[in-house]
Amino acid sequence: NAGVTQTPKFRVLKTGQSMTLLCAQDMNHEYMYWYRQDPGMGLRLIHYSVGEGTTAKGEVPDGYNVSRLKKQNFLLGLESAAPSQTSVYFCASSYDRIAGPYSNQPQHFGDGTRLSIL
Amino acid sequence: AQSVTQLGSHVSVSEGALVLLRCNYSSSVPPYLFWYVQYPNQGLQLLLKYTTGATLVKGINGFEAEFKKSETSFHLTKPSAHMSDAAEYFCAVSYAGGTSYGKLTFGQGTILTVHP
Repeated sequence: NAGVTQTPKFRVLKTGQSMTLLCAQDMNHEYMYWYRQDPGMGLRLIHYSVGEGTTAKGEVPDGYNVSRLKKQNFLLGLESAAPSQTSVYFCASSYDRIAGPYSNQPQHFGDGTRLSIL
Repeated sequence: AQSVTQLGSHVSVSEGALVLLRCNYSSSVPPYLFWYVQYPNQGLQLLLKYTTGATLVKGINGFEAEFKKSETSFHLTKPSAHMSDAAEYFCAVSYAGGTSYGKLTFGQGTILTVHP
């Protein structure tokens, strides 16, 4: 049971380059989330999705775009990377409709992508 | 709007001693509260959660937390620390209904160090 899988695990970019982070979940979850983790700041929500074909902004969305073309995948894109986007990025998913209300179901996290922008 | 404050970015205890990690929250609606643990170079794992019902909740690895509405707190405790408990711990808050969609607001994290 893979759970939530993030690729790549590490990446180094130059300022201005673009890249896409991939998140895949095999739990048939409806909701998916992208967070960034910075020292002393906990995790902050970038974007989230409540279903295939839908996305919404979180707390810190500027400089990022997302897409959810398939239920199991949630992509995070950086169009023009900046040093301020150096961070650890986590994807999470939640809400299996069969298991009951979403409010009782925790989020499941991937192992993260460590991204450095030079 | 919701917020979470974890008192103490670093906590150090001896093996076998009590672990107490503090979390206070601010929420305009009844909160759902979570504690997650993060081991080095890994993602977050759920330790325990409070949604409704009993205010003392038990989680994995011997941890428990008590929801105290009057104090807006959800402190995490473990009677006897083990070396394997060394990790970073995050408190998080959510709420039911509306446009929540299970979104979490996290505290800043507390790094727990356990000394032999």
